[in-house]
Amino acid sequence: DARVTQTPRHKVTEMGQEVTMRCQPILGHNTVFWYRQTMMQGLELLAYFRNRAPLDDSGMPKDRFSAEMPDATLATLKIQPSEPRDSAVYFCASDPGQSSYNEQFFGPGTRLTVL
Amino acid sequence: AQSVTQLDSHVSVSEGTPVLLRCNYSSSYSPSLFWYVQHPNKGLQLLLKYTSAATLVKGINGFEAEFKKSETSFHLTKPSAHMSDAAEYFCGLMFSGGYNKLIFGAGTRLAVHP
Repeated sequence: DARVTQTPRHKVTEMGQEVTMRCQPILGHNTVFWYRQTMMQGLELLAYFRNRAPLDDSGMPKDRFSAEMPDATLATLKIQPSEPRDSAVYFCASDPGQSSYNEQFFGPGTRLTVL
Repeated sequence: AQSVTQLDSHVSVSEGTPVLLRCNYSSSYSPSLFWYVQHPNKGLQLLLKYTSAATLVKGINGFEAEFKKSETSFHLTKPSAHMSDAAEYFCGLMFSGGYNKLIFGAGTRLAVHP
């Protein structure tokens, strides 16, 4: 049963600490998306990659957030330093990227709490 | 500019009655439109999508949606609500040249009462 996996599922940290969230896309999917979900802002697209290259990270605060794909099976989202306003659920999604209008498959999310 | 507006933040229905979740869009291009469902503490799951084929789209769990270009709408319906339909629903827009980037509405929380 192919699915997107995310680790950790929950993370509680203190302000100023570094946070790294990981995502394993579905095998063979070459497009990966990072979303953030909060009550106030809803679902926001932070960044996305195709074939490991960043296509758009305009939704991401550049001073503290960074996203990478070290290889085709791993995407990371890092926050350094973290702040309480970063508390949210972070979702990773992937799609096959073989044609337009593909379904995106979402992971279960990482719930981040910054104290 | 591309945008999605979900007209109701909360909808409450009784079990067995029809469901209507409203979505309007704005797009300079011919859009593809999606409905996703999110159950508590879960990721999003695709219900259905419109990609310029039939305007009436059938999805999973008895849901369907109709694309109406003249009204720039893509409302989600179900004839008879089930308790398990209680969740949050997101309408999404994708446009050609957008590298499959999805723009989501704010979501509609559906409550189903016995």
